[in-house]
Amino acid sequence: GENVEQHPSTLSVQEGDSAVIKCTYSDSASNYFPWYKQELGKGPQLIIDIRSNVGEKKDQRIAVTLNKTAKHFSLHITETQPEDSAVYFCAASNSFQKLVFGTGTRLLVSP
Amino acid sequence: SAVISQKPSRDICQRGTSLTIQCQVDSQVTMMFWYRQQPGQSLTLIATANQGSEATYESGFVIDKFPISRPNLTFSTLTVSNMSPEDSSIYLCSVERTGTGEQYFGPGTRLTVT
Repeated sequence: GENVEQHPSTLSVQEGDSAVIKCTYSDSASNYFPWYKQELGKGPQLIIDIRSNVGEKKDQRIAVTLNKTAKHFSLHITETQPEDSAVYFCAASNSFQKLVFGTGTRLLVSP
Repeated sequence: SAVISQKPSRDICQRGTSLTIQCQVDSQVTMMFWYRQQPGQSLTLIATANQGSEATYESGFVIDKFPISRPNLTFSTLTVSNMSPEDSSIYLCSVERTGTGEQYFGPGTRLTVT
């Protein structure tokens, strides 16, 4: 079955810096790759996603890139703010139903 | 996106007892999912619940331990049966925006078993 690896496990940046989180997946049939942000005490929030027919997608300060050949995808956050501090999860799906999640990245943005 | 609520938000239970968690969504959805998130860990899918059919369980999860009901298109319950301290986790429900693969999560139920 699908396996998703995520790096780094923790990431500390200064406010205004960029942050990049990387994930690799094993199943070449996977075609949907969402990213979730989970704040303390809350459920995961879908922040951006990308499908296998697209190489890059942007939404304001966040962007996701997908390299199908290498089977990896990345989340890019620019101009980081303290409110970006949270745990971020990547996920992959090959059936538009069952999501397999990465292990999570704890992002800390210091003022 | 759908508005999803879960009850209870948290509970402390004695080992050997059972707890039923409710998930309510404000619109009709076909697919609902139940996940477990152990402390500091990622999300693991327990089962997929379609209205009108038996839930489909993932490897390592069985119906006797985690019975699920899905009586209509806006509601589902997950029961954690015969609890042990190892069941202490956050239990999350999610729904799929029909036909898109996008999943939206409820706020979670924080369960502590003593």
